[in-house]
Amino acid sequence: KQEVTQIPAALSVPEGENLVLNCSFTDSAIYNLQWFRQDPGKGLTSLLLIQSSQREQTSGRLNASLDKSSGRSTLYIAASQPGDSATYLCAVATDSGGGADGLTFGKGTHLIIQP
Amino acid sequence: NAGVMQNPRHLVRRRGQEARLRCSPMKGHSHVYWYRQLPEEGLKFMVYLQKENIIDESGMPKERFSAEFPKEGPSILRIQQVVRGDSAAYFCASSRTGYSYNEQFFGPGTRLTVL
Repeated sequence: KQEVTQIPAALSVPEGENLVLNCSFTDSAIYNLQWFRQDPGKGLTSLLLIQSSQREQTSGRLNASLDKSSGRSTLYIAASQPGDSATYLCAVATDSGGGADGLTFGKGTHLIIQP
Repeated sequence: NAGVMQNPRHLVRRRGQEARLRCSPMKGHSHVYWYRQLPEEGLKFMVYLQKENIIDESGMPKERFSAEFPKEGPSILRIQQVVRGDSAAYFCASSRTGYSYNEQFFGPGTRLTVL
């Protein structure tokens, strides 16, 4: 059974700092990994999708890497801004041998960027 | 191009009543996933549907919960005889195809409160 862990659970940093969020998963047989952002009381916004054959994806100030063999992914946020404050969720789509399955989510990292 | 739509956004029910949650996928998407987010917990996969078919319901509680995605109209998640433990945010996601390498797009969620 796939399990996804995110470290740290919470993080507070001053504006302008670069930061790294970590995600690990127990079953390396994945199709892809997605990073999402969730604002309080809101839905999920997809940030980056990395296919299992890829090593990284970039979008603006965000960069996500994937090391499938070791079961790890990182989300790098450059030059953080107060608007980046949110909960960041990591989710994997696992190849269970039965075709498409739902995503398995971590519990998230609650990020606060101090102005 | 409208995203995934869910309604209602907030739903209050008394114990023993029925709750019906609706989800309209993005245009061009025929695959729908339902997830539940309990307080202080991560999102958990419930069920995956295509038009008129349930593909994977491994995350659905065995009793009181059902889902459908008819040929016409939105997908419906139905909870019969609700209990306080059903209080949660229910999210719907859609994808263009059912293969796990496709990105899932999430709706804003329905927040169910059981009194």
